[in-house]
Amino acid sequence: EVELVESGGGVVQPGGSLKLSCAASGVTLSRYWMHWVRQVPGKGLVWVSFGNSDGSSTNYADSVRGRFTISRDNAKNTLYLQMNSLRAEDTAVYYCVKGGADGGFDYWDQGTLVPVSS
Amino acid sequence: EIVLTQSPGTLSLSPGERATLSCRASQSISGNYLAWYQQKPGQAPRLLISVASNRATDIPDRFSGSGSGTDFTLTISRLEPEDFAVYYCQQYGSLVWTFGQGTKVEIK
Repeated sequence: EVELVESGGGVVQPGGSLKLSCAASGVTLSRYWMHWVRQVPGKGLVWVSFGNSDGSSTNYADSVRGRFTISRDNAKNTLYLQMNSLRAEDTAVYYCVKGGADGGFDYWDQGTLVPVSS
Repeated sequence: EIVLTQSPGTLSLSPGERATLSCRASQSISGNYLAWYQQKPGQAPRLLISVASNRATDIPDRFSGSGSGTDFTLTISRLEPEDFAVYYCQQYGSLVWTFGQGTKVEIK
């Protein structure tokens, strides 16, 4: 059974940094594209970042490009999201998501809330 | 960037009724890489449909997807109590993914 377990969330001040980790079990991350998606409580889903299976190709939503970095350690079967220069508008629940073979997002973790507040 | 517009914003129906949800893209979606998700309060989204019409694993056959190009539809043939939720469409193209704003299916 595929399981994605996220850690590293918590309150951070504006301008601060935070690194989210997503440890996978039941699946070999090195075979799949992975993503981060965020959701402001009560609002819709927003795609944040993508990384291909070996990490050689990445992309970001315009709102986070230059501030967030997606990476992975395939030996540890873990995905990361380094978030720098955080803003109040980055406050959201962040989901670690596995990409399926045909573009859909087939496994999601339970998400972690990242409040950016002074 | 392709913008997805979902309609209606809210759909009020009774159990047993048919639900028809629309997702319109601002430009044609190459390869019909259009997915649908269901999200219930306090839960992560769940993949229902990929590539416009392929049901994901363990998704009941009352859920079906159709469409191509810029117009896509999610149909729930007979609503069960557990189907009342928010539904999102999502597209993929050129290493960019975007979601629609969601349609809430509520009990009438």
